[in-house]
Amino acid sequence: GAGVSQSPSNKVTEKGKDVELRCDPISGHTALYWYRQSLGQGLEFLIYFQGNSAPDKSGLPSDRFSAERTGGSVSTLTIQRTQQEDSAVYLCASSLRAGSYNEQFFGPGTRLTVL
Amino acid sequence: AQSVAQPEDQVNVAEGNPLTVKCTYSVSGNPYLFWYVQYPNRGLQFLLKYITGDNLVKGSYGFEAEFNKSQTSFHLKKPSALVSDSALYFCAVRLPNAGNNRKLIWGLGTSLAVNP
Repeated sequence: GAGVSQSPSNKVTEKGKDVELRCDPISGHTALYWYRQSLGQGLEFLIYFQGNSAPDKSGLPSDRFSAERTGGSVSTLTIQRTQQEDSAVYLCASSLRAGSYNEQFFGPGTRLTVL
Repeated sequence: AQSVAQPEDQVNVAEGNPLTVKCTYSVSGNPYLFWYVQYPNRGLQFLLKYITGDNLVKGSYGFEAEFNKSQTSFHLKKPSALVSDSALYFCAVRLPNAGNNRKLIWGLGTSLAVNP
């Protein structure tokens, strides 16, 4: 079946503009994660959704960042008033809920460039 | 604080030689351990995981990893490296009894370069 998809693949925006990044997880996966990967850096956890539970927002770097997941499927990460330091690749991953040992399946990412 | 360390930013190995990418962790309890790989211009892919049982786990593309509880390590290995193994490798750890905390703790990654 289809893997995790993300759109757009690339986004160039001007400082101060808002952006929305979309993630379509694998069908049937109830867990969804957002990460940020800066050039040459590791993964920075942003937010985690599990079914209908309250999301774990502990990784969001500022209140300019928010995310929602509608109907337990598609998720949107919104960055308001973008700053140049927001430039990075934003990765989405999904996994089965059943156990904490489930591996995550990653999308190709959205490369965000803030000018 | 709980953490995962990949002590080498880069590993260079000649094609055909064995390779090792190191990972050590500092967490309480018995963790679940994962390796992921990121090929150039491609997304992250799951390689293998240790949950319980045999300390030596085998994964995709001929990779294996050995869980060593006393040394709190989970080094990734392959008997004979290929040029196509050149990629960025990430180690990650998850606590099994972390309740609603389902985040993985990620290492910073190790860049593997296999030279022909």
